[in-house]
Amino acid sequence: DTAVSQTPKYLVTQMGNDKSIKCEQNLGHDTMYWYKQDSKKFLKIMFSYNNKELIINETVPNRFSPKSPDKAHLNLHINSLELGDSAVYFCASSPITGDPYEQYFGPGTRLTVT
Amino acid sequence: GIQVEQSPPDLILQEGANSTLRCNFSDSVNNLQWFHQNPWGQLINLFYIPSGTKQNGRLSATTVATERYSLLYISSSQTTDSGVYFCAVEAGGFKTIFGAGTRLFVKA
Repeated sequence: DTAVSQTPKYLVTQMGNDKSIKCEQNLGHDTMYWYKQDSKKFLKIMFSYNNKELIINETVPNRFSPKSPDKAHLNLHINSLELGDSAVYFCASSPITGDPYEQYFGPGTRLTVT
Repeated sequence: GIQVEQSPPDLILQEGANSTLRCNFSDSVNNLQWFHQNPWGQLINLFYIPSGTKQNGRLSATTVATERYSLLYISSSQTTDSGVYFCAVEAGGFKTIFGAGTRLFVKA
């Protein structure tokens, strides 16, 4: 009964490869997000989607492409991985009724690029 | 854009002590949340508190939106309270800004 789930939990890959991270929420929320947490623990928003439509794209290289096949899923595809992409990536979701914008986070995906 | 500053950056407590963490923000916000990131990396919701005061067990939070700050109180701290505490604000358009966090270590 996990609320926000991400797969995989760990991802180790080489520079230049293409990889995807999947996110699913079963909370019935309308908005989903991707965040990047760097080695100093700074959390920065990358994208937000509302009802499958892109709302925010925060100066993220176009090697990063989010895809939302439906309201419950927001996947992150990364092309031509670079060393600087190594980080923990968090998916989150929030409602737009009740307490709007109260975000719930997934467990994170630790990406290591070698 | 909005600036979010948290203090102190680091905090070491003896088990049983009380503490207050602060979050200042530079402009009006629609909402504010406090999170605890445990040593395993999980981000746990503590409070959704755009204004007012809330309490949950040993934790409580107060946001004074007109003065642009929020406080998180931890009473009778336990070793399991260790981790990083983040304040996050949303200023419109689904954009959330996180503070840099307060790293808390509670000694047994």
